[in-house]
Amino acid sequence: QVQLVQSGAEVKKPGASVKVSCKASGYTFTDYPIHWVRQAPGQRLEWMGYIKAGNGDTKYSQRFQGRVTITRDTSATTGYMELSSLRSEDTALYFCARGGNGWYELAYWGRGTQVTVSS
Amino acid sequence: SYVLTQPPSVSVAPGKTARITCGGHNIGSKGVHWYQQKPGQAPVMVIYYDRDRPSGIPERFSGSTSGNTATLTISRVEVGDEADYHCQVWDSSSDWVFGGGTILTVL
Repeated sequence: QVQLVQSGAEVKKPGASVKVSCKASGYTFTDYPIHWVRQAPGQRLEWMGYIKAGNGDTKYSQRFQGRVTITRDTSATTGYMELSSLRSEDTALYFCARGGNGWYELAYWGRGTQVTVSS
Repeated sequence: SYVLTQPPSVSVAPGKTARITCGGHNIGSKGVHWYQQKPGQAPVMVIYYDRDRPSGIPERFSGSTSGNTATLTISRVEVGDEADYHCQVWDSSSDWVFGGGTILTVL
């Protein structure tokens, strides 16, 4: 069965960076994109970007352009999301999700990684 | 940017039918996807491309679209269906877009 296992909670100071991992199993890693979505307290889900796990192509939301970097390690079947210049508003639950066969749906999700930004 | 609007909450008695709406301009021309999110758990896709149901999702879950509104319908609601439900589309100007989420309460 498809599983996406994310790294543990992080606490960071403003201005720092955070890197969250997403270990995939149960399918051919390079066949599907990995997306990153976040949910700040009381806010809606917000798409951050994706990486095509096969060739490494990425696309980022304009909101995060310049601050987010999404990478993957095919040998480890793991995706990564790094967010820099953290501020308090970046405190949120960060999810990875695997794309589906139709491209636009997010077929499987991880349980989320809590990132807290606090001085 | 493209905006999806959901009611903040819907309440229903066990065994009844819950309908959760998702409004967006010409949403009927886009593929709408629905996700169920329970506290501390990974979100689960319950409907994709308007009305398709992933394997393992009960037939009680169904989806439809018409004009500017998409609807997730849950028949014979159970206590275990209590969750947040989110709609999502892809839009050429906004990429992946989510609604604000609807809390389903089973009374």
